[in-house]
Amino acid sequence: QVQLKESGPGLVQPSQTLSLTCTVSGFSLTSYHVHWVRQPPGRGLEWMGVIWNDGNTGYNSPLKPRLSISRDTSKSQVFLTMNSLQTEDTGIYYCNRMSPLGFDYWGQGVMVTVSS
Amino acid sequence: DVVMTQTPPSLSVAIGQSVSISCKSSQSLVYSDGKTYLHWLLQSPGRSPRRLIYQVSNLGSGVPDRFSGTGSQKDFTLKISRVEAEDLGVYYCAQTTHVPYTFGGGTKLELK
Repeated sequence: QVQLKESGPGLVQPSQTLSLTCTVSGFSLTSYHVHWVRQPPGRGLEWMGVIWNDGNTGYNSPLKPRLSISRDTSKSQVFLTMNSLQTEDTGIYYCNRMSPLGFDYWGQGVMVTVSS
Repeated sequence: DVVMTQTPPSLSVAIGQSVSISCKSSQSLVYSDGKTYLHWLLQSPGRSPRRLIYQVSNLGSGVPDRFSGTGSQKDFTLKISRVEAEDLGVYYCAQTTHVPYTFGGGTKLELK
């Protein structure tokens, strides 16, 4: 069955770099797009970016200078790297699969706290 | 960027009641292929969001038919008939027609 699972450090110091991994199963990264969406505590959803099935990427403009999304298809993993973290980057980070049928599968999310 | 405006921000309902949530976009969500990529998600307390409806009116797998979606262009509605306890949480509309993809601010459905 289709699964996505995020992993990464729960705590990051301000100005440091965040590295998250999304490990997928049940589908191929060359067939589906994988997105990253984040949610600050008690707030709504923010689309961060995508790695398309062809390996190209797209980013939300405010995050683009700091954000990079890549993948390793042999390991079925998608990576998010974001630098210069600030406290407002605190929140739950989700990876999800998208098809023309919408965001059809989501990971459980990983909580990231930016604090010294 | 496409701004998605959801109303109301919260709803207090009794079990068995029917409710509607509105979602309006700042631009038409009709893509060049003629399809409209407007979706509805539910985030139950402490859980990840999950898809309810895709492309305006199509029920996701396993979603009960108490849920229905309507609308076109820039104006969309989610209706829940006969609310059940498991329906409580925050509902989001989302558009995947225009990059960057954007979400509505959410509508919190609570028990009266």
